[in-house]
Amino acid sequence: DAKTTQPTSMDCAEGRAANLPCNHSTISGNEYVYWYRQIHSQGPQYIIHGLKNNETNEMASLIITEDRKSSTLILPHATLRDTAVYYCIVRLYTGGFKTIFGAGTRLFVKA
Amino acid sequence: GAGVSQSPRYKVTKRGQDVALRCDPISGHVSLYWYRQALGQGPEFLTYFNYEAQQDKSGLPNDRFSAERPEGSISTLTIQRTEQRDSAMYRCASSLESALAGGEQFFGPGTRLTVL
Repeated sequence: DAKTTQPTSMDCAEGRAANLPCNHSTISGNEYVYWYRQIHSQGPQYIIHGLKNNETNEMASLIITEDRKSSTLILPHATLRDTAVYYCIVRLYTGGFKTIFGAGTRLFVKA
Repeated sequence: GAGVSQSPRYKVTKRGQDVALRCDPISGHVSLYWYRQALGQGPEFLTYFNYEAQQDKSGLPNDRFSAERPEGSISTLTIQRTEQRDSAMYRCASSLESALAGGEQFFGPGTRLTVL
């Protein structure tokens, strides 16, 4: 049921930018792209979301293509603590909605 | 402020017993979600509520699973006649779902259920 596809795993060197891609070719016009991450056995943690404009916050940047069929989450200076599973999700902004996480991308940040 | 809490944190039960898992969402949050997560996999959607109304229970595996949120706050996920395949981490999340703060979900620590 997942509306997104992500690579299974990625490596990144500590201090370098981590670029995590996500394909969501069936996204509808009123659906947003959300990113969460899950570190070890903790609960998923919200990172960022966007509709069509690029977004940036203290954790990451989100780049959404003009046709909105794909996006990239960017961690500008990855640290060892960013090693986690990253989930890309599409859903409506408000109103409560069934949320499908998918398998995510396992990011390994290496020293 | 207080986040989402779940109890118990760990539950070990024998096959055939009923279990009730509790979720206390963040105060004022409109939506409450239940997920199940097997080791090494992403959270699997089970059901969700807006206020006290259960909006979608399509993710519940079978009729042994049920959930309620009678007053629009605390929720209980009940599994009847537990089976070993029900063993997993059960996670709850809540969300404000307003025009100002949309679909960001805050997750609780989870309940680790083990069915012997």
